Amino acid sequence: DTAVSQTPKYLVTQMGNDKSIKCEQNLGHDTMYWYKQDSKKFLKIMFSYNNKELIINETVPNRFSPKSPDKAHLNLHINSLELGDSAVYFCASSQDQRGPQGQFFGPGTRLTVL
Amino acid sequence: AQSVTQLGSHVSVSEGALVLLRCNYSSSVPPYLFWYVQYPNQGLQLLLKYTTGATLVKGINGFEAEFKKSETSFHLTKPSAHMSDAAEYFCAVYTGGFKTIFGAGTRLFVKA
Repeated sequence: DTAVSQTPKYLVTQMGNDKSIKCEQNLGHDTMYWYKQDSKKFLKIMFSYNNKELIINETVPNRFSPKSPDKAHLNLHINSLELGDSAVYFCASSQDQRGPQGQFFGPGTRLTVL
Repeated sequence: AQSVTQLGSHVSVSEGALVLLRCNYSSSVPPYLFWYVQYPNQGLQLLLKYTTGATLVKGINGFEAEFKKSETSFHLTKPSAHMSDAAEYFCAVYTGGFKTIFGAGTRLFVKA
């Protein structure tokens, strides 16, 4: 009965590889997000989808491409991985039809690029 | 531009002592404010939120926060710290357009 789940939890890969992270929420929320948390715990929004439509696309390299096949899923594909991509990536969801109510976060995916 | 400032990257208290984590914000619109907690190797969990109405909001685990518009503050408090409160705490403000910005976080240490 997990609310927001992500797979995989850990991802170790070589520079130049392509990898994907998957996210699913079973809360019935309309909005989903991807955040990047660096080694100093700083949390930065990357993308946001509302009803499968991209609404936030921060200054993220175009090697990162989100995809939302339906409202419950938001995946993140990363091409040509670089050392600086090493971080923890969090998926989150929210239901804000009556104003922002806060976000539910997944457990995170720790990406290590060697 | 909206922003969130958390004063003190690290706060250390003794078990049973008052916890006070400070947060100041700037917002050009009536703010929606949040506190989140992150335990080691976990995602963020919503502690409490201020949207409208009562300025003193209560959250989970005995935490509360007071919205003070004149001071642009939303400090988080708990009367008596417990060892299990040791974690990273994030203040956040909703800026509109489905976007929330987070403070840099405050690491809370609780000493026995």
